[in-house]
Amino acid sequence: DQQVKQNSPSLSVQEGRISILNCDYTNSMFDYFLWYKKYPAEGPTFLISISSIKDKNEDGRFTVFLNKSAKHLSLHIVPSQPGDSAVYFCAASLTGTASKLTFGTGTRLQVTL
Amino acid sequence: EPEVTQTPSHQVTQMGQEVILRCVPISNHLYFYWYRQILGQKVEFLVSFYNNEISEKSEIFDDQFSVERPDGSNFTLKIRSTKLEDSAMYFCASSEAGRGGSPLHFGNGTRLTVT
Repeated sequence: DQQVKQNSPSLSVQEGRISILNCDYTNSMFDYFLWYKKYPAEGPTFLISISSIKDKNEDGRFTVFLNKSAKHLSLHIVPSQPGDSAVYFCAASLTGTASKLTFGTGTRLQVTL
Repeated sequence: EPEVTQTPSHQVTQMGQEVILRCVPISNHLYFYWYRQILGQKVEFLVSFYNNEISEKSEIFDDQFSVERPDGSNFTLKIRSTKLEDSAMYFCASSEAGRGGSPLHFGNGTRLTVT
């Protein structure tokens, strides 16, 4: 099942700079996209979501951009902080199956001092 | 902040044994879920539960699996006869609403090891 893909397994960014995490999907029927953050030994924590009818959603330091024609979304974190170091998962849900999230494989973000 | 709690944090069992994984969802949430993550693989949906019945389930959730809300606070996942391939981290989640984009709140997981 490769419907949601995160092609970068890891990313390293300096504190204060922008972190950009990418996600691609193949199923045009996805209607919501969500980003989760996961620390070791903890469950995923919801960060931000976006509806497929929008192209941008912002919440504090986190902004998600959606390009439907390219089937691509990205999460921007500005400015990056050491506490942002975690694994970030992109997830998507299909119309009518709101509870069934399809997850990507995750990107490990390391924010360095 | 209210959170989803899961017990135990780690469960070791022998192949063929029954296991019950327990979860206490956030108290005012109405939708409940189980997901799992096999080591090195994606987080996968297993089942969703609303109004005391299963609302969706994946192809993974076969007859060996069952869920129950035995009282007003607990939500359990039972695996009747465990297999080696059931070894995974099992995450319980809950949400206030079931509509698209509603954030799921996950517990810290139960690591199930089947030997």
